[in-house]
Amino acid sequence: QQQVKQSPQSLIVQKGGISIINCAYENTAFDYFPWYQQFPGKGPALLIAIRPDVSEKKEGRFTISFNKSAKQFSLHIMDSQPGDSATYFCAASKAGNQFYFGTGTSLTVIP
Amino acid sequence: GAGVSQSPSNKVTEKGKDVELRCDPISGHTALYWYRQSLGQGLEFLIYFQGNSAPDKSGLPSDRFSAERTGGSVSTLTIQRTQQEDSAVYLCASSLVRTNNEQFFGPGTRLTVL
Repeated sequence: QQQVKQSPQSLIVQKGGISIINCAYENTAFDYFPWYQQFPGKGPALLIAIRPDVSEKKEGRFTISFNKSAKQFSLHIMDSQPGDSATYFCAASKAGNQFYFGTGTSLTVIP
Repeated sequence: GAGVSQSPSNKVTEKGKDVELRCDPISGHTALYWYRQSLGQGLEFLIYFQGNSAPDKSGLPSDRFSAERTGGSVSTLTIQRTQQEDSAVYLCASSLVRTNNEQFFGPGTRLTVL
C-alpha cells in the first residue's frame, strides 16, 4: 500500500503561471511533510517543508498548503520559471524515521 | 562544508556479479538512508541507519541486498549476484535526526547490470 500518493505525474505550465502538485497520505502519525526538487543527474534537494500544526507555509514563490483533516498537502509554485523545470517529490515521515516518497511530478515550464 | 558523497558515480556490471556502493554522509549526521530510484519512478526506501544500527530494513527487496555502517559514518550497500532488474540509481541521504528531519541527498550511483 502506497503511503503517499502524488499527482499529476507530469505537468506543463507556461512561464509566469502557477504550478500545483498534490499529495495525499494515509498515516495520521506523520509529522513532517517535505517537498524535494530533483534536476536530472542530481540527487533530490529539499525545497520546502511543513509540519501539521500549520496550514500554510510560504518561502518565496513556493507555498505548501496543508489540510490535516483531508490528509492532503500541495505545492504551489507561483510565477513559474523555466528554471523550475524539474521533478518534484512530496514525502512524509514520522519522528524522523522512514520517509515515504510520492512517485514524483515532472514539471516543464514553457518560456 | 562537504555534502553527502557517493561512489562510484556510475557502475556497470555483469549479471551475477557482486557490487558495493559507498556513501559518505555529512559529518555529524546520525541518520543515514538508502533509496533506489528506477527510471521515471519515485524513491523506493531500502534501509535506514541510526548510528551503526539499522532499526528498519523493511525496504530491502531481497536477501541479495545488505548494508552496513561503521563508526557511525560511512555506509556500504552490497548487492550480491546482481540481476538486470537491479539497474537503477541508488541514492544515499543523511540527516540530523534529533534537530530536524531534513534529509540531504548525495548525487547517487547509477548501476547498470548487463
